[in-house]
Amino acid sequence: AQSVTQLDSQVPVFEEAPVELRCNYSSSVSVYLFWYVQYPNQGLQLLLKYLSGSTLVKGINGFEAEFNKSQTSFHLRKPSVHISDTAEYFCAVRGGTSYGKLTFGQGTILTVHP
Amino acid sequence: NAGVTQTPKFRVLKTGQSMTLLCAQDMNHEYMYWYRQDPGMGLRLIHYSVGEGTTAKGEVPDGYNVSRLKKQNFLLGLESAAPSQTSVYFCASSYSIGLAPDYNEQFFGPGTRLTVL
Repeated sequence: AQSVTQLDSQVPVFEEAPVELRCNYSSSVSVYLFWYVQYPNQGLQLLLKYLSGSTLVKGINGFEAEFNKSQTSFHLRKPSVHISDTAEYFCAVRGGTSYGKLTFGQGTILTVHP
Repeated sequence: NAGVTQTPKFRVLKTGQSMTLLCAQDMNHEYMYWYRQDPGMGLRLIHYSVGEGTTAKGEVPDGYNVSRLKKQNFLLGLESAAPSQTSVYFCASSYSIGLAPDYNEQFFGPGTRLTVL
């Protein structure tokens, strides 16, 4: 079984500041890792994913994440945020043979202030 | 392509009433999923299906039933709604994991906001 912990429920930042949203996971098998974004009153949209290979993955809207196997982490970063990045962000993990089922973290609400 | 669509978008029920949520996808995906989203709890898997005519329980299946009579549709039923089922429900779909992992991304619908009074 897998589990995901997002370490911050809310992260307030000012526009153009850097941000890091933290995600730790636990799993007894190799995993695939994902970050999704949910804008207000919308569904989930994939930001980026780690399947294999390079541990630094780049996604849409200037976001990137680094897979750290020894620390079982997959933190999301952006060097300079915009007002439009205000949303809820979800980290998710999927085991290799779990019929694609995702286990989600609790979510982190990112609020970007002018 | 419409992607994943959900019907209805909003619904208010009284305790004990029943209803069915419809999810439809036009991407010829094998796998389909129903999640519920509650504040501070992320998304939790209710039921899923790995193909037409097959369904399986997820993390929180109690009080829900599902059916997958057609490959493109996945129905979620509430037989006797309870206030604890007030939530936002999301449907998702993906290709089979038999394909390369790059094809396994889940695509989500816009959600159904359900309130049970």
